[in-house]
Amino acid sequence: AQTVTQSQPEMSVQEAETVTLSCTYDTSESDYYLFWYKQPPSRQMILVIRQEAYKQQNATENRFSVNFQKAAKSFSLKISDSQLGDAAMYFCAYRTIPDYGGATNKLIFGTGTLLAVQP
Amino acid sequence: GAGVSQSPRYKVAKRGQDVALRCDPISGHVSLFWYQQALGQGPEFLTYFQNEAQLDKSGLPSDRFFAERPEGSVSTLKIQRTQQEDSAVYLCASSLGTKGLNEQFFGPGTRLTVL
Repeated sequence: AQTVTQSQPEMSVQEAETVTLSCTYDTSESDYYLFWYKQPPSRQMILVIRQEAYKQQNATENRFSVNFQKAAKSFSLKISDSQLGDAAMYFCAYRTIPDYGGATNKLIFGTGTLLAVQP
Repeated sequence: GAGVSQSPRYKVAKRGQDVALRCDPISGHVSLFWYQQALGQGPEFLTYFQNEAQLDKSGLPSDRFFAERPEGSVSTLKIQRTQQEDSAVYLCASSLGTKGLNEQFFGPGTRLTVL
């Protein structure tokens, strides 16, 4: 079974600085998807960034980028120029690529990292 | 456009009561997921629907949990004889398709507290 581990329960960053959130995962599959989700205090989960394992190039979305190390099974999130609105719980998630026939696209989440942004 | 909505947002139940939690997915979304998020934890998968068919219910913790999506749109998660360990936020998510990189869009969740 696949597992996702986030070893940093809490992180703090100064506004305008850069912070990196760590995520490792375990799988025997060779192809899969990885995601970072943001969950603000209102609790609506929002997709931040995604990575397809077969793509070597690291995904980037504006101030958010990932460092995907497939061999090490590591998927860290870097937030540049941190803003007050970035304060939230961040979850790393894994999703298998389903076979045809209705296999589940379920997400497997880590336990989250609570990010505080200091003004 | 409208996102995923859930109701009620908050539910308090006495132990032993039955509860029903509703999810309205984004219109036209084929896939619907339920997740359970305990305090301080990440969401955990409960069950998955493709249209009206419940294709995966491997995450349901006991036979007290039951989900349905009879017309392939709105879904209801029912918990019978609630227990204190059922206290959690229940998240619903929907996605347009079933294959490839289909983004799951989440609702705001229903926070269930069992006294």
